[in-house]
Amino acid sequence: DSGVTQTPKHLITATGQRVTLRCSPRSGDLSVYWYQQSLDQGLQFLIQYYNGEERAKGNILERFSAQQFPDLHSELNLSSLELGDSALYFCASSPSGLAGLYEQFFGPGTRLTVL
Amino acid sequence: SQQGEEDPQALSIQEGENATMNCSYKTSINNLQWYRQNSGRGLVHLILIRSNEREKHSGRLRVTLDTSKKSSSLLITASRAADTASYFCATDEDSSYKLIFGSGTRLLVRP
Repeated sequence: DSGVTQTPKHLITATGQRVTLRCSPRSGDLSVYWYQQSLDQGLQFLIQYYNGEERAKGNILERFSAQQFPDLHSELNLSSLELGDSALYFCASSPSGLAGLYEQFFGPGTRLTVL
Repeated sequence: SQQGEEDPQALSIQEGENATMNCSYKTSINNLQWYRQNSGRGLVHLILIRSNEREKHSGRLRVTLDTSKKSSSLLITASRAADTASYFCATDEDSSYKLIFGSGTRLLVRP
């Protein structure tokens, strides 16, 4: 158990809908990272938050947004969903905002299926 | 895609044999990490090697880093069936604030 929790575990929804994925980092970790893993694109970095502030952005679509709250949990919002958004979404946390400096602790993921 | 390359894409070996996976990246890095992922599960950190290190060991794992060739290798010695998983390298080559993951090597260890 990494100490990172993600909810829900599975999500099935329809095209055009909006969903929210939630992540609680390990106790004491200030950084939260979101990743998307699909069969054809591998593991793609989406966005990082450090202590409530956005620190880095990756290949995140404009239809996606995220935030980190004062209690350090984070939410990833996906809107106007398309079939291609079906993927595993992982959240990871680490003590530092410098991504390479420390290991990242990954949650179990949310499997999103868009029908 | 910003992903690095991993080689081979898939590897099948017999229990007890050694497994070697390679990772290449494009630009300079500060650190390189290796992660393991069991099917559909979250990634688990294995080892971190800094750019000024050439080799690092952790149990049955040995990681080497050659910054002149922009490559790293992960060696798993005396493999076990439980080592069956996908293995990914990740670097901070693009930015200090994000990790770029390689495409991964799928390792199958046959009992």
